[in-house]
Amino acid sequence: AQTVTQSQPEMSVQEAETVTLSCTYDTSESDYYLFWYKQPPSRQMILVIRQEAYKQQNATENRFSVNFQKAAKSFSLKISDSQLGDAAMYFCAYRSANFGNEKLTFGTGTRLTIIP
Amino acid sequence: NAGVTQTPKFQVLKTGQSMTLQCAQDMNHEYMSWYRQDPGMGLRLIHYSVGAGITDQGEVPNGYNVSRSTTEDFPLRLLSAAPSQTSVYFCASRPGLAHIQYFGAGTRLSVL
Repeated sequence: AQTVTQSQPEMSVQEAETVTLSCTYDTSESDYYLFWYKQPPSRQMILVIRQEAYKQQNATENRFSVNFQKAAKSFSLKISDSQLGDAAMYFCAYRSANFGNEKLTFGTGTRLTIIP
Repeated sequence: NAGVTQTPKFQVLKTGQSMTLQCAQDMNHEYMSWYRQDPGMGLRLIHYSVGAGITDQGEVPNGYNVSRSTTEDFPLRLLSAAPSQTSVYFCASRPGLAHIQYFGAGTRLSVL
């Protein structure tokens, strides 16, 4: 069974600074997808960024980028130029690429606080 | 497009009561799922469907039933609510050829 571990329950960063959230996972599969979801106080789950395991290039979305280390099974999220609106819970998630596999396996989350 | 719509947003039940959480999507997505979120934990898969008439169990299916008679709707039924089912429930959907899931806004359920 796959597992996802987020070892930082809470993180804080000064506004406009850069912060990195850690995520490691365990799997025996070679093809899969990795995601970072943001959950603000509104409770809505918002996709921040995704990475296909077969792609070596790290995904980027504006101020958000990942450091995907497949051999180390590591998938960290870097937020540059942090903004007050980035304050939220961040969840790392894994999904197998096998056909019909619908399960997203989530980590326990990291609560990010932005300090003005 | 409304996306994934969940109703109600909040619900309080007494132990032993039954209820149905509604989920509808207007994006013609094949795949739909139900998750629950408990404090200190990530979301866990309850049941899912890969198309109308096809459902399967996820990680924590006990105490819940689902059916999928149409592409659009995927209701989650609690037959006899228990305090352990106090949680936030999320419905999600995705197209068959894509790997991004779209989530509803969630239903907060309290069972007393």
